[in-house]
Amino acid sequence: NAGVTQTPKFRILKIGQSMTLQCTQDMNHNYMYWYRQDPGMGLKLIYYSVGAGITDKGEVPNGYNVSRSTTEDFPLRLELAAPSQTSVYFCASSRQGSGANVLTFGAGSRLTVL
Amino acid sequence: GQNIDQPTEMTATEGAIVQINCTYQTSGFNGLFWYQQHAGEAPTFLSYNVLDGLEEKGRFSSFLSRSKGYSYLLLKELQMKDSASYLCAVNKGNTPLVFGKGTRLSVIA
Repeated sequence: NAGVTQTPKFRILKIGQSMTLQCTQDMNHNYMYWYRQDPGMGLKLIYYSVGAGITDKGEVPNGYNVSRSTTEDFPLRLELAAPSQTSVYFCASSRQGSGANVLTFGAGSRLTVL
Repeated sequence: GQNIDQPTEMTATEGAIVQINCTYQTSGFNGLFWYQQHAGEAPTFLSYNVLDGLEEKGRFSSFLSRSKGYSYLLLKELQMKDSASYLCAVNKGNTPLVFGKGTRLSVIA
């Protein structure tokens, strides 16, 4: 049971480039999330999904896009990368969206934009 | 909105007890979580409180007072491996968790 798998673990981008962070989970969870974590700033929600075909914006969605074509996968796309998007990105999933909805996190993707 | 406050850093001695506080302001409160995050790793679930009172789980306990918008995480018999960041997160209705900035705990010999 792999849980939540994110790729790549590390990536350096040039300003203006685009890329996709991949996230897949094998726990049949309905809910999936993308957070970013900057030093000393905690986790901020970028986008989330309550099921296949449904996505919604979080606190900091600008500069990102997501899709949820299957229950398992929730890729995060960065268009026109900017230095402000340098961060550690965590994908997470949960069985339900409220109550004791324990989040299972992926190992994280460290992105640097130069 | 949801304001979640916790101390930025704390230091404690191996074998001691430490209490990490978290205060929050939110409407539609539906539970409070504590996560542990070691440097360079993903957060992992520690505890969940939705009713007032103390939940004990081994060396770790978590307390909640909904009327005061207050929670704490209590770590007993501190070990060096407890050095990590501790994240308080609040669940509001059906919306995703909102995290505080985390408290970095250093355990020293």
